[in-house]
Amino acid sequence: GAGVSQSPSNKVTEKGKDVELRCDPISGHTALYWYRQSLGQGLEFLIYFQGNSAPDKSGLPSDRFSAERTGGSVSTLTIQRTQQEDSAVYLCASSLTSGTAGEQFFGPGTRLTVL
Amino acid sequence: ELKVEQNPLFLSMQEGKNYTIYCNYSTTSDRLYWYRQDPGKSLESLFVLLSNGAVKQEGRLMASLDTKARLSTLHITAAVHDLSATYFCAVRGITSGTYKYIFGTGTRLKVLA
Repeated sequence: GAGVSQSPSNKVTEKGKDVELRCDPISGHTALYWYRQSLGQGLEFLIYFQGNSAPDKSGLPSDRFSAERTGGSVSTLTIQRTQQEDSAVYLCASSLTSGTAGEQFFGPGTRLTVL
Repeated sequence: ELKVEQNPLFLSMQEGKNYTIYCNYSTTSDRLYWYRQDPGKSLESLFVLLSNGAVKQEGRLMASLDTKARLSTLHITAAVHDLSATYFCAVRGITSGTYKYIFGTGTRLKVLA
């Protein structure tokens, strides 16, 4: 079946602009995660959705970052007033939840460059 | 707080050699995962380890889990160039009733022909 998809694959924006990143998880996966990966670094957790609710927003680096998930499926990560330090690859992952192995399946990522 | 440490961070090895990557974590976890990431690509799931003593093997890679020591290892046997990639371990913890996945910093493996 189809895997996790993300769009756009690349986004170049100017400092101060808002951007929206989209994630389409695997059908039936109720858990959805956003991560950020800076060049040559590990994964930084941003936010976790279970269904449409976000029980863990602890990783969002500032109030410029927000995310929502509708219909228990597609999620959008919004970054307002982008800064150069926001430049990174944003990865989305989905998984089944309790009672399963909890294996995460990752999308291809969105590479964000803030000029 | 759940923390995950991997070592080494960088590993350069000759083809045909064996080596082990270590993943230590700080508190109780019920799941441990290994992922592979090729340059410019996303993460690919390699192994899911669910219980103490679990061992899984795929080709030249073998992963094991010791929950008492809070340690997982990824052993590479007779390395080949195609194994060059960055390898991440991750653990799943439960905080306030929600799941959280914490990733190690990754081990960048380069296999020299």
